[in-house]
Amino acid sequence: SQQGEEDPQALSIQEGENATMNCSYKTSINNLQWYRQNSGRGLVHLILIRSNEREKHSGRLRVTLDTSKKSSSLLITASRAADTASYFCATDDSGGSNYKLTFGKGTLLTVNP
Amino acid sequence: NAGVMQNPRHLVRRRGQEARLRCSPMKGHSHVYWYRQLPEEGLKFMVYLQKENIIDESGMPKERFSAEFPKEGPSILRIQQVVRGDSAAYFCASSPLPPIGNQPQHFGDGTRLSIL
Repeated sequence: SQQGEEDPQALSIQEGENATMNCSYKTSINNLQWYRQNSGRGLVHLILIRSNEREKHSGRLRVTLDTSKKSSSLLITASRAADTASYFCATDDSGGSNYKLTFGKGTLLTVNP
Repeated sequence: NAGVMQNPRHLVRRRGQEARLRCSPMKGHSHVYWYRQLPEEGLKFMVYLQKENIIDESGMPKERFSAEFPKEGPSILRIQQVVRGDSAAYFCASSPLPPIGNQPQHFGDGTRLSIL
């Protein structure tokens, strides 16, 4: 699998339900970031979690990081139709260039009203 | 406080023409990054620039592609003699400080390049 690969590729849920997306990566990292991309728009930064952190919250978002498994999850609670978007995780490379973000193909989340 | 501004939003070129994509970073940001996104793919790093300096262009094709970030004005990504495979969305991001690993990059809305 690629560095920063999200799972599932697509997720469809009803408003009010929780959405969980996962990300796996291969190299050692300094931090992992999650971004949202609405159709035809740029990426919006959601949350950054450092390699020495295990969990982080921001509003309805909860991110976990397991560096031993090289994986992260993004949980969106009480989803809304406006959360419909593609979600990407991005990693740097602590052994290389930490500015060079590597993105996966993303998870397309559809929240049905 | 304006975000990262890219123009044009959409650009159509015929094969063999030149494409010039512009990016103005957020106010106070002096570090610019260009990424390319092919359909249904994630973003791929192309180049990292500071004012008047190319720091890392390892993700940029060796031929036909060039980037600059002059002392005054926006950063420019230039693609010469475009081919169909250049069709993609090109995103610019900026950050305020040297990338020490804990600063998010802020992205523009991208330029969608279509080659006829």
